[in-house]
Amino acid sequence: TQLLEQSPQFLSIQEGENLTVYCNSSSVFSSLQWYRQEPGEGPVLLVTVVTGGEVKKLKRLTFQFGDARKDSSLHITAAQPGDTGLYLCAGDPLMSGNNRLAFGKGNQVVVIP
Amino acid sequence: DTGVSQDPRHKITKRGQNVTFRCDPISEHNRLYWYRQTLGQGPEFLTYFQNEAQLEKSRLLSDRFSAERPKGSFSTLEIQRTEQGDSAMYLCASSQRTGPNTEAFFGQGTRLTVV
Repeated sequence: TQLLEQSPQFLSIQEGENLTVYCNSSSVFSSLQWYRQEPGEGPVLLVTVVTGGEVKKLKRLTFQFGDARKDSSLHITAAQPGDTGLYLCAGDPLMSGNNRLAFGKGNQVVVIP
Repeated sequence: DTGVSQDPRHKITKRGQNVTFRCDPISEHNRLYWYRQTLGQGPEFLTYFQNEAQLEKSRLLSDRFSAERPKGSFSTLEIQRTEQGDSAMYLCASSQRTGPNTEAFFGQGTRLTVV
């Protein structure tokens, strides 16, 4: 069973369009991180959300943490080809009793010029 | 210190051979993680160190895998008697946990191909 479910798994859009991807769980998290990964490279940290309901913006990227701290979303406005990549959410569940950082399978985003 | 570094970037080995990978974390980070990633999947947790202590190891990790972090600095991941199923990207990450956050910073990974 995957602790963090990301949807959609794959998304292809035209340059200039908006998109939203989701990260969902039945567990509560103290925080969630979003990473972007390009082929052959390691994931790069984009943002951490900590407080339920929190919204963080990173240029054209908007990240939201659910009120119950079980889910998160990433919205990209006016997508550019440089936004292409695998977006990964990750976190430590509060009740897990361990300190591993669990990852979802990712949202593969392709922005077509 | 510019980040987490991994060596080698690529490794091709014959089935049955042993391989060892190295990870140098960000110097002030006390936590170090190893992950494995296959095509189309997210990183899969393998093991985790706090300083030199290996605090957790995935049940998915067979006895052929071993990791060390002597002196709480760099870490090595060894795979003995490699199998074709071991082919994957091996990622190392480090963090310095403050409060509720576990922000991990990744290296570029070691791509292992077992032929």
